[in-house]
Amino acid sequence: RKEVEQDPGPFNVPEGATVAFNCTYSNSASQSFFWYRQDCRKEPKLLMSVYSSGNEDGRFTAQLNRASQYISLLIRDSKLSDSATYLCVVKNYGGSQGNLIFGKGTKLSVKP
Amino acid sequence: ETGVTQSPTHLIKTRGQQVTLRCSSQSGHNTVSWYQQALGQGPQFIFQYYREEENGRGNFPPRFSGLQFPNYSSELNVNALELDDSALYLCASSPLAGAEQFFGPGTRLTVL
Repeated sequence: RKEVEQDPGPFNVPEGATVAFNCTYSNSASQSFFWYRQDCRKEPKLLMSVYSSGNEDGRFTAQLNRASQYISLLIRDSKLSDSATYLCVVKNYGGSQGNLIFGKGTKLSVKP
Repeated sequence: ETGVTQSPTHLIKTRGQQVTLRCSSQSGHNTVSWYQQALGQGPQFIFQYYREEENGRGNFPPRFSGLQFPNYSSELNVNALELDDSALYLCASSPLAGAEQFFGPGTRLTVL
């Protein structure tokens, strides 16, 4: 079982749609959680950190459920520019000073 | 612009050859992490260097080795290349070993 698992996708949605991505992680000792965005043939970039209380950044809302080991990302009012691969990322501490553990990514295509 | 640079951008090698990839960290960052991203997968942690010492390693064989220099730039060396080593190699720097990592644009390695 992979340490971080995501919806396989791809997600094809019209502009203005609301889309949700789900992710589960297997290590209950995981400490920090993130969503990264990766455009085609580019490097990953941090979209937002995910906190236990849930957090919002404009059209993006991230949620964490530690009991279920589940992370989600909600994008409201999708824009064409949201088209990218969204990577769920977990960071564990100790051992390797917090290396990032990535899910496989879920590709989102927003169509006009 | 993250400030992390990598060279070369693309590279083609044949099986059995050796390759060296280079990374210049963002100004003020003393930690460099390397990741391998195969096509359709999320990045996988190779190792991290902090102040010129290896500070953690992922599940990669010893033919993957690295260095960090006094100016905090870094090299990734891969010996005895295999076809499965074909991937995007990403370097990420951070101001501290556990802090947010900023990714470079990557080096795309093709092994024939």
